[in-house]
Amino acid sequence: GAVVSQHPSRVICKSGTSVKIECRSLDFQATTMFWYRQFPKQSLMLMATSNEGSKATYEQGVEKDKFLINHASLTLSTLTVTSAHPEDSSFYICSTRDSSYNSPLHFGNGTRLTVT
Amino acid sequence: QKEVEQNSGPLSVPEGAIASLNCTYSDRGSQSFFWYRQYSGKSPELIMFIYSNGDKEDGRFTAQLNKASQYVSLLIRDSQPSDSATYLCAATNTGTASKLTFGTGTRLQVTL
Repeated sequence: GAVVSQHPSRVICKSGTSVKIECRSLDFQATTMFWYRQFPKQSLMLMATSNEGSKATYEQGVEKDKFLINHASLTLSTLTVTSAHPEDSSFYICSTRDSSYNSPLHFGNGTRLTVT
Repeated sequence: QKEVEQNSGPLSVPEGAIASLNCTYSDRGSQSFFWYRQYSGKSPELIMFIYSNGDKEDGRFTAQLNKASQYVSLLIRDSQPSDSATYLCAATNTGTASKLTFGTGTRLQVTL
């Protein structure tokens, strides 16, 4: 089945710094990746949809200049949290499909970001 | 109104019993439905997906879909303590770039 690798699994950074999260599809080409965020005891909230070779589409309320998404290749998408603040502390998860638009999403293992 | 709604629980069932998890959705255009299991601190893992009205069985799991009532359910037979987790219902609509909308999840506790 599809395998999505996400790195790092856990990161602690100081307020004001930037953090990059990588998401790789290991055995298939992912033209579209979805980035989710999950706060404690809440559901997954879609942040943005990244498409290989084009600009990401951000959900309402998500700052595109703060959460930079790059999808430069068919196997790699990155999310950079710029000038992180404590309120950005959350669980960030990437996901993608390995086939049709209707097929299930496969998730990376997630990145636990803590901003001190 | 939330697009995908679930009772947050916790739903407590004894080991060996049937756990019934329910989900409703508001968008009649939704075509595909998914159940994910999420353990604390982990990312979701796919349990089942269903596209057509009726039942779909896979091992101890049965997904049920009723598009007329906009209702999806997941039955877990012979519940085990390892089934204790949060179960997320999700729906996708091909008219929205195939995005997946998640419910808030139902926490299931299987007691010994």
